[in-house]
Amino acid sequence: GNSVTQMEGPVTLSEEAFLTINCTYTATGYPSLFWYVQYPGEGLQLLLKATKADDKGSNKGFEATYRKETTSFHLEKGSVQVSDSAVYFCALSDLSTGNQFYFGTGTSLTVIP
Amino acid sequence: EAGVVQSPRYKIIEKKQPVAFWCNPISGHNTLYWYLQNLGQGPELLIRYENEEAVDDSQLPKDRFSAERLKGVDSTLKIQPAELGDSAVYLCASSFTGETEAFFGQGTRLTVV
Repeated sequence: GNSVTQMEGPVTLSEEAFLTINCTYTATGYPSLFWYVQYPGEGLQLLLKATKADDKGSNKGFEATYRKETTSFHLEKGSVQVSDSAVYFCALSDLSTGNQFYFGTGTSLTVIP
Repeated sequence: EAGVVQSPRYKIIEKKQPVAFWCNPISGHNTLYWYLQNLGQGPELLIRYENEEAVDDSQLPKDRFSAERLKGVDSTLKIQPAELGDSAVYLCASSFTGETEAFFGQGTRLTVV
């Protein structure tokens, strides 16, 4: 079946530190991969996505590369800001199984000045 | 363009009472999802609609939960009667059929006391 496993948090970093949040997946078909971000009291916002192997999604300084060989989609940012404090969810969707989204449990990030 | 709109944002009810949530998807989006998000967890699918048809409701607890999407646009999710364990955030999302990206509303936070 389809599932997503992501690094447990919480993660606390100083401003300008490097961020990595690990995400691995299991899928029966050829999924698209996503990172969603949830700010306090808000809904999920799409951060970036990749639809096929070796694609790199990027947005707001965040990047993630779809690695089929390692079934991974790790999120990275070179220099985090206080405003990046949020919960980050890795997810996959697979049109062959009805485009249902499968989410990881989320990783809480706190960036301190 | 307006995003996915959900109401109410917050709801507090006593156990055994009924409750309903409303969702207005992005205009033109055929696919509508209801997700349940427990505290500290990723969202989990409750039901998915393609236009007015519920195409995946396998994870909807049908003894107390019901949903409808009349005319294939707005949708309501109902719980009757509510239990303490139903306290969670209920998220609505929508997408174009066949598109992998979904857009989420801000959610309704339900507290059952």
